[in-house]
Amino acid sequence: KAGVTQTPRYLIKTRGQQVTLSCSPISGHRSVSWYQQTPGQGLQFLFEYFSETQRNKGNFPGRFSGRQFSNSRSEMNVSTLELGDSALYLCASSHGTAPGTQYFGPGTRLLVL
Amino acid sequence: ELKVEQNPLFLSMQEGKNYTIYCNYSTTSDRLYWYRQDPGKSLESLFVLLSNGAVKQEGRLMASLDTKARLSTLHITAAVHDLSATYFCAVDITAASKLTFGTGTRLQVTL
Repeated sequence: KAGVTQTPRYLIKTRGQQVTLSCSPISGHRSVSWYQQTPGQGLQFLFEYFSETQRNKGNFPGRFSGRQFSNSRSEMNVSTLELGDSALYLCASSHGTAPGTQYFGPGTRLLVL
Repeated sequence: ELKVEQNPLFLSMQEGKNYTIYCNYSTTSDRLYWYRQDPGKSLESLFVLLSNGAVKQEGRLMASLDTKARLSTLHITAAVHDLSATYFCAVDITAASKLTFGTGTRLQVTL
């Protein structure tokens, strides 16, 4: 069974630009969650989508947004990038209907210059 | 607001020794997860603990959950170098795949 995949793996952007990251969950999983990991703030929850609906949202500004498609693939978008947005962005998938393991993808490392 | 604290933050231990990592959380939950992260890599699931008194073991690692004390432990037995990594605990109180992570414990096992 293929794992969670994320594209691109690495990204360099400049301040003010926007970026879109993609996540393909494990086949059959309907929940996709996004997390930001930085040395200073650690791992922080961004949002979670289940069956194309956002079920949960973390404490991030509106510049961070996401969506989920009918095939459960998800994208997150960050507009007007700031230096502080440099981070490893991880997505995780799960069935989403009962407590269970979230499986993480390899992450997208974003560097904002 | 849910707070998840781990200690120690950094642990240097010799091969063959035993040690325990502690994870305390502030809000009642019976869903506690342990993950491992190698440098520059993603998170690998280790254990899922879903009830009070749950105990799971895999190799040299054993995790337990005490929901009344809001405490989970990750016990390392006879550490080996391959266990060197950062270990995170995470709590879910929403039943909607929203994990709140601890600060992580960086484990370094030396010869």
